[in-house]
Amino acid sequence: NAGVTQTPKFRVLKTGQSMTLLCAQDMNHEYMYWYRQDPGMGLRLIHYSVGEGTTAKGEVPDGYNVSRLKKQNFLLGLESAAPSQTSVYFCASSYSWGQPQHFGDGTRLSIL
Amino acid sequence: EDQVTQSPEALRLQEGESSSLNCSYTVSGLRGLFWYRQDPGKGPEFLFTLYSAGEEKEKERLKATLTKKESFLHITAPKPEDSATYLCAVHPGGGADGLTFGKGTHLIIQP
Repeated sequence: NAGVTQTPKFRVLKTGQSMTLLCAQDMNHEYMYWYRQDPGMGLRLIHYSVGEGTTAKGEVPDGYNVSRLKKQNFLLGLESAAPSQTSVYFCASSYSWGQPQHFGDGTRLSIL
Repeated sequence: EDQVTQSPEALRLQEGESSSLNCSYTVSGLRGLFWYRQDPGKGPEFLFTLYSAGEEKEKERLKATLTKKESFLHITAPKPEDSATYLCAVHPGGGADGLTFGKGTHLIIQP
């Protein structure tokens, strides 16, 4: 029972490079989310999806894009990485609106 | 603006010493308040959901309560394995669907 799986677990990028973070869930959840966690700050919502083919902006969406082509997958893209995007990125999923969100173990991303 | 404030930021207890963590919130229509546990290098692990004032939930040594302005996570006779960061989050009534998190309370239980 994998739950929410994030790949990769660690990554180091240079400023200006691009990359995609992958989130996969096997719980048949409709809703999926991307958060970032920085020292001294709470988790902040980047983008979310309420179903296959849908995406919406969260609190801190600038510099990120997302896609939800399949129900079980939610991709987070950085087109031109900046040092300010150094963070730990968490993906979460939930069965429906207002239900508990279940988190993956994160991707630790450093931008040099 | 929705806000969640957790206190204290850090708490060190002796094994068996009971205490409470506080989560105060201001939201435009609370749809749910969530407590999570986060271990180093891991993602948040869901503990409880509370939906209305007066509601209480229990799990082993943990008990969560909710009022109209705050929630408490009571820890009774804690053990070293209860050491973790405890996160409080609210699901606001309007706006984005995601949760608004507090900064967490880092709890250390010493043997």
